[in-house]
Amino acid sequence: SQTIHQWPATLVQPVGSPLSLECTVEGTSNPNLYWYRQAAGRGLQLLFYSVGIGQISSEVPQNLSASRPQDRQFILSSKKLLLSDSGFYLCAWSVSIGGAEAFFGQGTRLTVV
Amino acid sequence: AQTVTQSQPEMSVQEAETVTLSCTYDTSESDYYLFWYKQPPSRQMILVIRQEAYKQQNATENRFSVNFQKAAKSFSLKISDSQLGDAAMYFCAYYTGNQFYFGTGTSLTVIP
Repeated sequence: SQTIHQWPATLVQPVGSPLSLECTVEGTSNPNLYWYRQAAGRGLQLLFYSVGIGQISSEVPQNLSASRPQDRQFILSSKKLLLSDSGFYLCAWSVSIGGAEAFFGQGTRLTVV
Repeated sequence: AQTVTQSQPEMSVQEAETVTLSCTYDTSESDYYLFWYKQPPSRQMILVIRQEAYKQQNATENRFSVNFQKAAKSFSLKISDSQLGDAAMYFCAYYTGNQFYFGTGTSLTVIP
């Protein structure tokens, strides 16, 4: 069966520090991968998605970047965190065939202080 | 741009009663999919129900059903016989072109 792992679960980082959130998927090949940010009252905002290794699409300009170094690994990064980067980050995957549901990780609560 | 609108930030329902959550979306695509996700306090996103846009028949999953009105771009969720475990945030989502777009969510309270 397929599983998705996202870590860490919580993170407190000072302003200006770097960020690396990691997400891995097991039990499937060539998944579509997604990073979302969830802020109160704003639902889930799509940050990045990837349909293959090295292929990253960005939905909104921001202080964050994403990489997909391996087929089932998706990393969200920042060189210098801002206070506004605080939020709940969710990684998700879906099969590459359109219309299948997205499966979500447990999420990371990021607090920038 | 694809947008999904949930106009009810909060809803409440008496246990065992029925509640309907609203969702509208804006798209120029003809091929897409619609979903309702549930996010309980644990914050784990759970799929509730899925609808293919090319299907006229409304999807049903046990106590959960949808009213899909393609021309009106409306996709509401009906929860029958509400249970305490249904209390959660509910998100409507739209999928097209490898991307999922989510609404802002409706917080559902179930009153014992």
